[in-house]
Amino acid sequence: GAGVSQSPSNKVTEKGKDVELRCDPISGHTALYWYRQSLGQGLEFLIYFQGNSAPDKSGLPSDRFSAERTGGSVSTLTIQRTQQEDSAVYLCASSLSRGSETQYFGPGTRLLVL
Amino acid sequence: KNEVEQSPQNLTAQEGEFITINCSYSVGISALHWLQQHPGGGIVSLFMLSSGKKKHGRLIATINIQEKHSSLHITASHPRDSAVYICAVRRGATNKLIFGTGTLLAVQP
Repeated sequence: GAGVSQSPSNKVTEKGKDVELRCDPISGHTALYWYRQSLGQGLEFLIYFQGNSAPDKSGLPSDRFSAERTGGSVSTLTIQRTQQEDSAVYLCASSLSRGSETQYFGPGTRLLVL
Repeated sequence: KNEVEQSPQNLTAQEGEFITINCSYSVGISALHWLQQHPGGGIVSLFMLSSGKKKHGRLIATINIQEKHSSLHITASHPRDSAVYICAVRRGATNKLIFGTGTLLAVQP
């Protein structure tokens, strides 16, 4: 079966522009996570979706970041007015349900803000 | 101080050696994950532990909840094991993973 897919794989944008990153989780997975991996930094949690519950947004670094998940499947992470420090690899992961389940990671979107 | 600490940060081994990577954490957790990330590649989940020990092929992961410590062992290491190994903990009843900074392993033939 298909794994987690993300698009685009690479994105170059100019400072101040908005970007949208897409994640298609594994079919049937109700939990979806967004993470960020900056150059030379470790992974950091951004946001978590579980079914129809309100998302856990506690990891979003600023109000320029937002995410939605439509129909409990595809998710979009939006970064408004991008800054150079937003340059990173954005990773999406999904798991079968909430809790201590194995997470399956997508290949990531490499974002470069010039 | 990071809530999740890994050691060593870098490790070079010869093919065939037994390898241990350590992870210590300072918060209460409900589970601990070991992840593998190859250069330029995606992340693969190796283990999820809440107690005891798990084994998969040449990989073994252990956790000691009382000591807040986990180890990842690789037996008969091979150059294809070269990757970054990341420890991550799920804090209590929360949803998010807190990540260590990773251990860069290079296995030389």
